[in-house]
Amino acid sequence: AQSVTQLGSHVSVSEGALVLLRCNYSSSVPPYLFWYVQYPNQGLQLLLKYTSAATLVKGINGFEAEFKKSETSFHLTKPSAHMSDAAEYFCAVSSGDSSYKLIFGSGTRLLVRP
Amino acid sequence: GAGVSQSPSNKVTEKGKDVELRCDPISGHTALYWYRQSLGQGLEFLIYFQGNSAPDKSGLPSDRFSAERTGGSVSTLTIQRTQQEDSAVYLCASSPRGTSGRETQYFGPGTRLLVL
Repeated sequence: AQSVTQLGSHVSVSEGALVLLRCNYSSSVPPYLFWYVQYPNQGLQLLLKYTSAATLVKGINGFEAEFKKSETSFHLTKPSAHMSDAAEYFCAVSSGDSSYKLIFGSGTRLLVRP
Repeated sequence: GAGVSQSPSNKVTEKGKDVELRCDPISGHTALYWYRQSLGQGLEFLIYFQGNSAPDKSGLPSDRFSAERTGGSVSTLTIQRTQQEDSAVYLCASSPRGTSGRETQYFGPGTRLLVL
């Protein structure tokens, strides 16, 4: 069965610092992986996704993630944090069954200090 | 173009009452998903519709929960005899075909349900 683990329920960085949000997955089939962002009182917005093409995936707002099969990881990074990046971030894996539902991690809340 | 819309945005109800939550997917999207976001359980799948196929109801937590999708478009999630543990944000998502795990699911803003 597919599962996702996000290490760190809260991550705090200074404005301009590197952002690193961790995601590890477990999958019985080649995984499709997603990062979504949720701003307060809003739905989920796709940041980027891995669909078995390039292992380094670039997304919106300067974010990128690298798929590492050997480490079963798909960590999200951004070189320089902005105040507007403060939000909750969810890593997800497609279920691998015929519904293709998303299996989400528990989320990481990113705090950006001025 | 228009995204996924959900109504109402907020709903307060009394324990034991029934509620209906509505989702309008992106026009032309064949697949529709309902998820629930709660403090204790995180984001969890509830139900999936794809075209005329039988829905995947495997995520519905009890028989008090049901959903339908009329005409392949609008969906309604119904919770009967609401309980306090039903308080959560109910998110709807749609995707173009729902026939591949590669597809992006587009989420609505959610309905925040509070059961008193």
